Amino acid sequence: EAGVVQSPRYKIIEKKQPVAFWCNPISGHNTLYWYLQNLGQGPELLIRYENEEAVDDSQLPKDRFSAERLKGVDSTLKIQPAELGDSAVYLCASSLEAGGPGEQFFGPGTRLTVL
Amino acid sequence: GEDVEQSLFLSVREGDSSVINCTYTDSSSTYLYWYKQEPGAGLQLLTYIFSNMDMKQDQRLTVLLNKKDKHLSLRIADTQTGDSAIYFCAESFSGGYNKLIFGAGTRLAVHP
Repeated sequence: EAGVVQSPRYKIIEKKQPVAFWCNPISGHNTLYWYLQNLGQGPELLIRYENEEAVDDSQLPKDRFSAERLKGVDSTLKIQPAELGDSAVYLCASSLEAGGPGEQFFGPGTRLTVL
Repeated sequence: GEDVEQSLFLSVREGDSSVINCTYTDSSSTYLYWYKQEPGAGLQLLTYIFSNMDMKQDQRLTVLLNKKDKHLSLRIADTQTGDSAIYFCAESFSGGYNKLIFGAGTRLAVHP
């Protein structure tokens, strides 16, 4: 079974440019998460989807970040415009269920460098 | 508030036991987790423990939970070089879904 797929794996852009990250969750997983991982830190939740509905986006900086999950499968996270402080790893995860211990399966992440 | 703290680095000799510690602040945590992250990879769930348990064993892994002190530990028996990675402690809360709050991670280095 394929795991969570993310692309690109690496992205280098200049500040003020837009950037987008793509995530394909594990087949059948209704819950999808986007996390931000700064260097030397643990992941922090940005947004959670239940199917196509964003049910927790309280940590998403909405002035520059946006996300969508069309048809409740793949998801895209966008930053426009990017700032130097956005340099980090963006992780996507999915789970079969939202409640209980619900194991979250993580993708390898997209490492963003903003110059 | 929600806060999870871990020591940043641990070095052990191959074959010895490793003990990674974690403290958390929110007593309403429902589940506590240990994730492993290898270089260039995403996080992999190692094990979790329900908050009303005090111990869980899974092969070489032993999780101990002291709810009174809000202290969680992960013991890896017979540590191997393949165990070298960053280990994250995380807590989750009730209320519909398992929102995870992660610690900063402990880097485990295993040397011969």
